[in-house]
Amino acid sequence: AQSVAQPEDQVNVAEGNPLTVKCTYSVSGNPYLFWYVQYPNRGLQFLLKYITGDNLVKGSYGFEAEFNKSQTSFHLKKPSALVSDSALYFCAVSWDTGRRALTFGSGTRLQVQP
Amino acid sequence: GAGVSQSPRYKVTKRGQDVALRCDPISGHVSLYWYRQALGQGPEFLTYFNYEAQQDKSGLPNDRFSAERPEGSISTLTIQRTEQRDSAMYRCASSYGLYNEQFFGPGTRLTVL
Repeated sequence: AQSVAQPEDQVNVAEGNPLTVKCTYSVSGNPYLFWYVQYPNRGLQFLLKYITGDNLVKGSYGFEAEFNKSQTSFHLKKPSALVSDSALYFCAVSWDTGRRALTFGSGTRLQVQP
Repeated sequence: GAGVSQSPRYKVTKRGQDVALRCDPISGHVSLYWYRQALGQGPEFLTYFNYEAQQDKSGLPNDRFSAERPEGSISTLTIQRTEQRDSAMYRCASSYGLYNEQFFGPGTRLTVL
């Protein structure tokens, strides 16, 4: 069965330092991978996606993610964190031979300290 | 342009009542999805439409839940005989196509007393 794992409930990083939010997945076909961010009392905002092609994808607000097929991972990264990046981050997956709706991870809360 | 809109934003109802939640997708988006999100958790799939056709309803918890999108635009999620366990944030999303990113609405917070 398809699944997404975000192994860290919370990630703490100092402003200006690089950040990584981890995501691993399990699907039976070729994955389509997404990252969304949720700010308090707000809806989910799309950050970036991997469908096919270059394994490194760049998205909104300076975020990027690397698709690693052998490790079945899609970690979210940013070279220099901002306090305003503090939010709840969700990794999600769908796949080419399965349901088109997204399966979400449980979320990782990113806290950037000034 | 306008994003996905949902109404009402908040709904408080008594157990046993029926509720109807509305979603107005981004204009031109052919795919529409319904999710349910518990506090601090990721959204869980309920059902989705491609145009007016309901392609997958495997996520609907039971037969008290139903959804429609009769003209391929606005969608309604209906919960009959509500129970306290139905309390959650109900989110709608739309996308241009099946392989495109989904854009989410602000959600409807349902509270069943």
